[in-house]
Amino acid sequence: GQNIDQPTEMTATEGAIVQINCTYQTSGFNGLFWYQQHAGEAPTFLSYNVLDGLEEKGRFSSFLSRSKGYSYLLLKELQMKDSASYLCLNYGGATNKLIFGTGTLLAVQP
Amino acid sequence: GAVVSQHPSRVICKSGTSVKIECRSLDFQATTMFWYRQFPKQSLMLMATSNEGSKATYEQGVEKDKFLINHASLTLSTLTVTSAHPEDSSFYICSALDTSTNEKLFFGSGTQLSVL
Repeated sequence: GQNIDQPTEMTATEGAIVQINCTYQTSGFNGLFWYQQHAGEAPTFLSYNVLDGLEEKGRFSSFLSRSKGYSYLLLKELQMKDSASYLCLNYGGATNKLIFGTGTLLAVQP
Repeated sequence: GAVVSQHPSRVICKSGTSVKIECRSLDFQATTMFWYRQFPKQSLMLMATSNEGSKATYEQGVEKDKFLINHASLTLSTLTVTSAHPEDSSFYICSALDTSTNEKLFFGSGTQLSVL
């Protein structure tokens, strides 16, 4: 089968660091997306990993290991506005199949 | 960066009417577009994959006669909710695949459908 697993909820403290994990099992793989979505709004792009390793963009970093079917999103210096759902999406194969995780609802507390 | 335009952003309609939602890629050609629905506090649910010039591929459990998808050009896909009922009330979002950039997938701003 094809599936993506990520925790459904996480809580972290303002100013701290949080890591959101995502594991996937898919028949094809072109890349892995991370999106942020606030309630009632469309998702916004955070990162797209194609190759193994860590990519850093300001406070957000994303890591990919294709051999392990594993990715994580790292958020540093958490702010209250980072409270949102974080979606892990696998884009794979010649059929352009898009596989979603369930999303991780992150609550940042003072 | 690339932009996907979706409208209307909000629509209220009576039960039994049909509603059309448009999704346009503004500065790139999108051979593939995706349609999703989202209920409050839940993740996106992929409804169908729309490929330009061919029939859409629907996910299991999504009625193709209920949710008509047309992708007649490289920049426009439409979703028509036919004979809408209150249970169809949801947030509908489209996204378009841009194979020319690393950012790849762009989302529309969503359409909040309320069926009375």
